[in-house]
Amino acid sequence: ETGVTQTPRHLVMGMTNKKSLKCEQHLGHNAMYWYKQSAKKPLELMFVYNFKEQTENNSVPSRFSPECPNSSHLFLHLHTLQPEDSALYLCASSQDDRGNQPQHFGDGTRLSIL
Amino acid sequence: AQSVTQLDSQVPVFEEAPVELRCNYSSSVSVYLFWYVQYPNQGLQLLLKYLSGSTLVESINGFEAEFNKSQTSFHLRKPSVHISDTAEYFCAVMSLGTYKYIFGTGTRLKVLA
Repeated sequence: ETGVTQTPRHLVMGMTNKKSLKCEQHLGHNAMYWYKQSAKKPLELMFVYNFKEQTENNSVPSRFSPECPNSSHLFLHLHTLQPEDSALYLCASSQDDRGNQPQHFGDGTRLSIL
Repeated sequence: AQSVTQLDSQVPVFEEAPVELRCNYSSSVSVYLFWYVQYPNQGLQLLLKYLSGSTLVESINGFEAEFNKSQTSFHLRKPSVHISDTAEYFCAVMSLGTYKYIFGTGTRLKVLA
């Protein structure tokens, strides 16, 4: 089983729908991250959680709402999204949000907004 | 503020030829440097990292990168590429103190038969 698992792998939704992305890590890490990956743009850090507490919100619109119930699970709740929100959403984890530890990534959820 | 530049968005190269993927960074403090690889339909995987010590770091699949402080570069090289190396490669920098990862825009390596 891979270290970081994301579900679903693909999601198509209308602008008025509400859906959630799920991320689970089995590495015993304490920090978890949401990134947005769009074509021809750098990876955009969205949120960081460390020991279940949000430590970073990179000016993400409120239509994206993260939730971290414990150090192993991270959710991204979506509502009233826009077409420009179509992208690959990557979850990552690391030992904590300080220091030089590399991040471990899931395979992402490819989101398409109709 | 820190930044990472990968000037080459795409690099086509024939199988068994050498390749160099360029990465330059800017930071006012010391940095950690990373290369990640992303295969199609997958997330990013750590390829190699420079934290301290020897400026030349190697991966298990034949890639190497050299930290050059004076040129603020961390170019990735492989002397002989394989078809299976076709992927997108991301350079990332983490500045000491902020501990924030900044990723480059990526370089798509396409190995041709």
